[in-house]
Order: sequence, then C-alpha cells, then structure tokens
Amino acid sequence: DAGVIQSPRHEVTEMGQEVTLRCKPISGHDYLFWYRQTMMRGLELLIYFNNNVPIDDSGMPEDRFSAKMPNASFSTLKIQPSEPRDSAVYFCASSWAGGGYTFGSGTRLTVV
Amino acid sequence: GENVEQHPSTLSVQEGDSAVIKCTYSDSASNYFPWYKQELGKRPQLIIDIRSNVGEKKDQRIAVTLNKTAKHFSLHITETQPEDSAVYFCAASKGSGGGADGLTFGKGTHLIIQP
Repeated sequence: DAGVIQSPRHEVTEMGQEVTLRCKPISGHDYLFWYRQTMMRGLELLIYFNNNVPIDDSGMPEDRFSAKMPNASFSTLKIQPSEPRDSAVYFCASSWAGGGYTFGSGTRLTVV
Repeated sequence: GENVEQHPSTLSVQEGDSAVIKCTYSDSASNYFPWYKQELGKRPQLIIDIRSNVGEKKDQRIAVTLNKTAKHFSLHITETQPEDSAVYFCAASKGSGGGADGLTFGKGTHLIIQP
C-alpha cells in the first residue's frame, strides 16, 4: 500500500484565493482525519469522517473552511477565501477502528 | 473537551543516557494514548501506544507508562542515540480501539541528543 497520499506537497497562494487540499486514505480504512500543524498551536484536529460521513467538525476554525469526502478513497479540504493566518502544514490521516493512525506527508500551505 | 499538557518543551540529554517525557490529560473518558515522533519536515509517525487497561508497555528501548488515577502518562527512551533526536508528541483519545476518534495532541517535546 502506498500509504495516505496528499497533494499538493506545497502550495503558495495569494490572500483571497481559493485553496483545495486533497487526500487519498489507505484502502480499507474507514476513518479519515484532517489536522493542521503550526508552531503556535501545534497539531489541531479540524474534522474527521467515518464511512464518508462527517462526525466531528468542531475544530474547523471558521466558515471559510469546508471539507468533503465524496467516496471512500478521496477527501478535500477547501479554504475560501484564504488568509495569511491559514499558513500551516495540513495533514490528512486515516485509520480503522482497531488500529492506529497513519499520517500523510502533509501539504505546506503559504498564503501571501 | 480533552486537554493534553506535555513537558518539557525541550529536552537535551547526553548520548547513551535516558530521556523521559511526561503528559497529563483532563478527560477521564480517554482510553488510548499514542506517542508520535516527528522529524523535521516529515510526518508524525507512531512509535508506541498504550490502552487504558494496561499500565506499562515496552518495545526495545522505548517504554510508556500510564497512571489512569492521576491522568498522566510518560515516554521513556533508554540508551539514547543520535537518531532519537526529533520532536515527540503525546496524544489522547476516547476511541476504544485507537482509531475511531480524533486525537488531542500535546504541544510536543524537542529531544536533542548530545554526542
């Protein structure tokens, strides 16, 4: 298995633009998580899905952030409009109920 | 919600010595406690985990202890080596199987192994 695959690895965008981050979980994993990592706030859970259904989105910072999981093998995290304070590394992780998480390599987002 | 405190934020030890990192959690319903190692620019990787029905778990040079009454757990690394240098994160979750709930992370400990 190729593990959790995220794209792009790096994204630089201008303030106000829409940004879409993508994630392909490990096949057979029925949980998918989006985390954000910054120096100030550490690793924060944004949202997670079970069987493609959002379970807890209480970590989503504001309405500018949205996430979808249209099928078991794909999820997106969208920021519209983006702001400089959204600059961070965004990690996707997947798991199954009895097992630990596997993180993707992350997307480093820079909003200028 | 859950709050995880981690100490120290930076730990410098001589190569070959032991390192101990401590975490406390607030939610007594948490029952899964993993530890992750993150090297610069890389993803967090699971190094060891413990569930609430166990007080201690060991894997070669790494061990984790859990005190549910006091709501704290610790990572112990013995005979430290240069490749142990990294940032270590503790986490807590209410997912009984470990994967079925979001993780709340501590702020991380930067472990530096001095040659």
